[in-house]
Amino acid sequence: GAGVSQSPRYKVAKRGQDVALRCDPISGHVSLFWYQQALGQGPEFLTYFQNEAQLDKSGLPSDRFFAERPEGSVSTLKIQRTQQEDSAVYLCASSLTSGNTIYFGEGSWLTVV
Amino acid sequence: DQQVKQNSPSLSVQEGRISILNCDYTNSMFDYFLWYKKYPAEGPTFLISISSIKDKNEDGRFTVFLNKSAKHLSLHIVPSQPGDSAVYFCAASVPKAAGNKLTFGGGTRVLVKP
Repeated sequence: GAGVSQSPRYKVAKRGQDVALRCDPISGHVSLFWYQQALGQGPEFLTYFQNEAQLDKSGLPSDRFFAERPEGSVSTLKIQRTQQEDSAVYLCASSLTSGNTIYFGEGSWLTVV
Repeated sequence: DQQVKQNSPSLSVQEGRISILNCDYTNSMFDYFLWYKKYPAEGPTFLISISSIKDKNEDGRFTVFLNKSAKHLSLHIVPSQPGDSAVYFCAASVPKAAGNKLTFGGGTRVLVKP
């Protein structure tokens, strides 16, 4: 499809396990964002890439969270030693350039048990 | 500290009537405001936006109003249709900040009754 694609859609992890969430942005989109949405709340900014450069990671909640976009297209959000409070929907979004409309993927639902 | 607030968690309206969703913000640096709509198990989809230099923007059944002095914006949907039943998020951005990253409110769940 032509939209932002995320995988896996659903992930159940045992506490302490590492997880990796993948995002395929819309082809040609320079800007890529990761957001975290807890149940009943709005999305909260995690990090921003312009091409392969991670220009803002101020929203990452701890050093257990790591994101990369090595070739400026696909991005991976990695969470190490998951904890129950990491349970949320992780949304990836992309835009053509900074200031253009931001399009969201369907999200990766993470449940830590 | 929530910079964008949607104080009504839910709204119920009869089909054909007007839905009014409200949003307040505290950061005076915000200069661009958006509304996103979200269905269950889907990502948010862009609905309508407004720049801080305007006080109104209209797109079909959807109109967004901005009151900068009150730091308040609202979304009007008229007439409301059952397919409008969803969660609506207000969002705002600061110019040139991290790709114009968005700060979201907590959302308002709208139910349009047939």
